[in-house]
Amino acid sequence: RKEVEQDPGPFNVPEGATVAFNCTYSNSASQSFFWYRQDCRKEPKLLMSVYSSGNEDGRFTAQLNRASQYISLLIRDSKLSDSATYLCVVISSGSARQLTFGSGTQLTVLP
Amino acid sequence: DADVTQTPRNRITKTGKRIMLECSQTKGHDRMYWYRQDPGLGLRLIYYSFDVKDINKGEISDGYSVSRQAQAKFSLSLESAIPNQTALYFCATSDLWPGGKDTQYFGPGTRLTVL
Repeated sequence: RKEVEQDPGPFNVPEGATVAFNCTYSNSASQSFFWYRQDCRKEPKLLMSVYSSGNEDGRFTAQLNRASQYISLLIRDSKLSDSATYLCVVISSGSARQLTFGSGTQLTVLP
Repeated sequence: DADVTQTPRNRITKTGKRIMLECSQTKGHDRMYWYRQDPGLGLRLIYYSFDVKDINKGEISDGYSVSRQAQAKFSLSLESAIPNQTALYFCATSDLWPGGKDTQYFGPGTRLTVL
C-alpha cells in the first residue's frame, strides 16, 4: 500500500462547480499535511497547509481527519484557472521529517 | 530572478553516459532536495541534505549520487544513465520554520531523456 494515496482523476467539472479531493495516508504518526498545486510541465507550488481544525483560504478549504487518516481539499465556485494537478503532501514525525507526495489528482475546469 | 534554478532544463543523453544536474538557490535555506517525477507515480525523493555536511538517501537513491558543494548548491549525478531514469527532475529547498512547516520551494525542473 502506498504511504500517500490520491484518486488520480481526471476530474472534469464545469465552471462554478464545487469539487472535492481526498488523500489518505498510512502512517498514523504523520505530523504535517499540505496541498500543493502543479500546473502542466511546471514545478509544484504550495497551495495551503492543512490544520486539524480545518482552514480556509478564499474558495479553498482544507480538512484533516486524523482518526480516518485522510485530508481533503474543497474548491468552491471553480474557475478555469483552477485546472491543474493537486498533490497532497504528508510529513512524517521524527528527525528525518521526510516528505511524501501523493501522485496527484488532475482537475480540469470546463467553460 | 528565480529563487531556485536548475541546469540544464532539458537534456537528452545515451545509456551509459555520466550526467550531472545542477541546482542553485538564493533563498538562504539549509535544506535541499532532489526529486524525480514520473507519470502516475508522483514525486519521489532521491536524496536530501539538511546542511552542507548532511546528506541522506531518499526513497529511490540507487543509481544516483549527490554533492552539496555549498549551502546554495546541490548537484545530482547519474554515474551511468539508463533509460528508466528518463523523468522530470526537481530540486527543492526548504527551511524549517518554528513549528516545522517545511514548505518546499521547487526549481523549474530538468527534463532528462536517456536513450
